[in-house]
Amino acid sequence: AQSVTQLGSHVSVSEGALVLLRCNYSSSVPPYLFWYVQYPNQGLQLLLKYTSAATLVKGINGFEAEFKKSETSFHLTKPSAHMSDAAEYFCAVSDSTGNQFYFGTGTSLTVIP
Amino acid sequence: NAGVTQTPKFQVLKTGQSMTLQCAQDMNHNSMYWYRQDPGMGLRLIYYSASEGTTDKGEVPNGYNVSRLNKREFSLRLESAAPSQTSVYFCASSLTGNTIYFGEGSWLTVV
Repeated sequence: AQSVTQLGSHVSVSEGALVLLRCNYSSSVPPYLFWYVQYPNQGLQLLLKYTSAATLVKGINGFEAEFKKSETSFHLTKPSAHMSDAAEYFCAVSDSTGNQFYFGTGTSLTVIP
Repeated sequence: NAGVTQTPKFQVLKTGQSMTLQCAQDMNHNSMYWYRQDPGMGLRLIYYSASEGTTDKGEVPNGYNVSRLNKREFSLRLESAAPSQTSVYFCASSLTGNTIYFGEGSWLTVV
């Protein structure tokens, strides 16, 4: 089965600083990789999705993620953090059937003014 | 743009009571899911249904039952609620091999 590891359950950055949230998946290359964002008391919203068309994926709100097969990683970045980016972020992968999705334990992002 | 709708949003139950969480999607997705979210544990799959008429256990199915009533609806039932089932429950849906979309969540407290 696929698995996802998110390093760092809590990340704090200053407003305007680089955001880097780390995600590693299990060794077999999954069909799809995702990043979701969850704002307080809300459901998860899709930030971006990797489908093997391009290793650098651009998402909403200025976020992007790079798929690195050699490192089994799919880290999420944003050049300049905004206060509105404060939220919980989840990395996820699908399995080979496309029927199951596996989520990391989440990273809570705090943006310091 | 309804997407995935789940009810109720909040519920308080006494230990031993039963209840059903309802979920409906209007995106013509074939797969539907129930997850629970607990602090520090991320999202854990309870049950999923890859198509109408089929259901499968996920990572934490004990204490729950599900029904895929039709293509649109997928309900989750707690037959005898326990405090360990206090959680936030999310229904989700997807087309096979595609993005998964979530409802807004149901906050359940068992006292």
